[in-house]
Amino acid sequence: GNSVTQMEGPVTLSEEAFLTINCTYTATGYPSLFWYVQYPGEGLQLLLKATKADDKGSNKGFEATYRKETTSFHLEKGSVQVSDSAVYFCALYNQGGKLIFGQGTELSVKP
Amino acid sequence: DAGVIQSPRHEVTEMGQEVTLRCKPISGHNSLFWYRQTMMRGLELLIYFNNNVPIDDSGMPEDRFSAKMPNASFSTLKIQPSEPRDSAVYFCASSLGTHISGANVLTFGAGSRLTVL
Repeated sequence: GNSVTQMEGPVTLSEEAFLTINCTYTATGYPSLFWYVQYPGEGLQLLLKATKADDKGSNKGFEATYRKETTSFHLEKGSVQVSDSAVYFCALYNQGGKLIFGQGTELSVKP
Repeated sequence: DAGVIQSPRHEVTEMGQEVTLRCKPISGHNSLFWYRQTMMRGLELLIYFNNNVPIDDSGMPEDRFSAKMPNASFSTLKIQPSEPRDSAVYFCASSLGTHISGANVLTFGAGSRLTVL
């Protein structure tokens, strides 16, 4: 079946550090991949997406590249800010199926 | 648009009581989803509707849970009777298109935090 696996949190970084949050998936066919972000006390918001292999999604300095050969969609940012502190969810959508979320990775950025 | 609106934001109730959570999706969106979020199980899809019709309720945990969508602008999730293990944050989300339309983007509400004592 379809599944998403994220690295466990919490991830604690200093401001301006480089961020990587790993995400790998299992799916049949060619799923679309997403990163959602949840700020404290709020609902999830779409951060970026990629719908086919080798696509790169980007938004607010975050990037993720759809790697079919490694079934991965790792989230990266070159220089994190305190305001990036949130929980990040990797998600997979397979046509005819459901939007499947990973467990979420909490990021805490210290000044 | 005000986004997906959920009420109440917080609910504290006693075991055995009926709980009703409400959701107003984004105008024009024709798919609506109810998710439950807990530390132990993460985000679970409970049920989703397309054009007001329930399409998949396989995630609804048991008969104590029910969901309705009487029209395109309103949905409810009801728990009767409630139990302490139902304590969670319940999110409503909406999107334009069906699950089979591909790569649809979900817009989430702020959630309803339920505590059952």
